Amino acid sequence: DARVTQTPRHKVTEMGQEVTMRCQPILGHNTVFWYRQTMMQGLELLAYFRNRAPLDDSGMPKDRFSAEMPDATLATLKIQPSEPRDSAVYFCASGLERLILHEQYFGPGTRLTVT
Amino acid sequence: AQTVTQSQPEMSVQEAETVTLSCTYDTSESDYYLFWYKQPPSRQMILVIRQEAYKQQNATENRFSVNFQKAAKSFSLKISDSQLGDAAMYFCAYRSSQGGSEKLVFGKGTKLTVNP
Repeated sequence: DARVTQTPRHKVTEMGQEVTMRCQPILGHNTVFWYRQTMMQGLELLAYFRNRAPLDDSGMPKDRFSAEMPDATLATLKIQPSEPRDSAVYFCASGLERLILHEQYFGPGTRLTVT
Repeated sequence: AQTVTQSQPEMSVQEAETVTLSCTYDTSESDYYLFWYKQPPSRQMILVIRQEAYKQQNATENRFSVNFQKAAKSFSLKISDSQLGDAAMYFCAYRSSQGGSEKLVFGKGTKLTVNP
């Protein structure tokens, strides 16, 4: 049963601390997306990669957020330093470009609370 | 930029009845893809149904079907024979068909309650 995995599922941290979220895309998928979900803004794209190369990170605050794909099986999203307004659920999704509809399959999310 | 609007923040339906969730979108593109995702309390985003804009035939997946009206830029979701497990947030999403624009643009969601 192929699925996207994310760790940790929950994270509580203090303002100013570094937060690292990890995602393992479905094996063979070549695109990875990071979305953030908040009550106010809903679901919004932060960044995405194709074949490990960043294609769009326009939704990401550059001064504190960074996203990388060290290899095809791992994507990371880092926040340094974290702020209370970063509290949200962060979703990773993966897809396969050559599929006609290029559906995106979501992980279970990381619920981040910054106090 | 494309936008997706879900005008019903909340909806309710009786078990075994039919409910329709509304979605409209704004785009200048002629070819694109539309999706409905379900998010139960577990937070997991589950793909329910998908539609290619160049196809006139409405997509159907078991009890779920869509009414795609391209000219009106409308993409509603119909759930037939509603079950308690259908209770969730439902998100309509748009994706461009242009290369390099794979991101999903989501509506704000509709919370569906199913009453026994």
